[in-house]
Amino acid sequence: TQLLEQSPQFLSIQEGENLTVYCNSSSVFSSLQWYRQEPGEGPVLLVTVVTGGEVKKLKRLTFQFGDARKDSSLHITAAQPGDTGLYLCAVGGGGFKTIFGAGTRLFVKA
Amino acid sequence: EAQVTQNPRYLITVTGKKLTVTCSQNMNHEYMSWYRQDPGLGLRQIYYSMNVEVTDKGDVPEGYKVSRKEKRNFPLILESPSPNQTSLYFCASSLYGGTLSGNTIYFGEGSWLTVV
Repeated sequence: TQLLEQSPQFLSIQEGENLTVYCNSSSVFSSLQWYRQEPGEGPVLLVTVVTGGEVKKLKRLTFQFGDARKDSSLHITAAQPGDTGLYLCAVGGGGFKTIFGAGTRLFVKA
Repeated sequence: EAQVTQNPRYLITVTGKKLTVTCSQNMNHEYMSWYRQDPGLGLRQIYYSMNVEVTDKGDVPEGYKVSRKEKRNFPLILESPSPNQTSLYFCASSLYGGTLSGNTIYFGEGSWLTVV
């Protein structure tokens, strides 16, 4: 059982549609990060959320940290082909570890 | 430009033949780590290092070794590779471990390793 459960695992949508992906856990975290990984590259940080209920916006991407700091969501408005990639959430795993979820693979068709 | 450089990018090797994947960062970060990425399992941490000469096991350390003799370098060593170590490997560096605000994890471009 993974510490972080991401859903859905795979999402294929048309350009212009909206979507939400989730990162859930039964544990409480002091912070959570979202990364995007494009094919052939390493993940790149999108955002860090630290406060329960916090909402952060990055252009068409909206990130929310759950009130209880156990979960997070990423909402994309009017998806574009450039949004295609693997979206990963990450948390501190105790000590000096970092734990990543398995990711949501998003494909946006033109 | 902030960079994490790992080599080789692609490697096919045979079972039991020792190999080293090098990793170097130019950001003077104290924290470096290695991950492997497998379909459906995401990124799993192999080893991490909090500073020179200080290393610790991640979640999947079996079959791997690391060393941190210099701050900028963190090589991953497979003493006797086996087919179950076929994977995509990422080196990463950051100010410290975890995901606190201000702590961006920078990743290399990945090394595709196939063990036959």
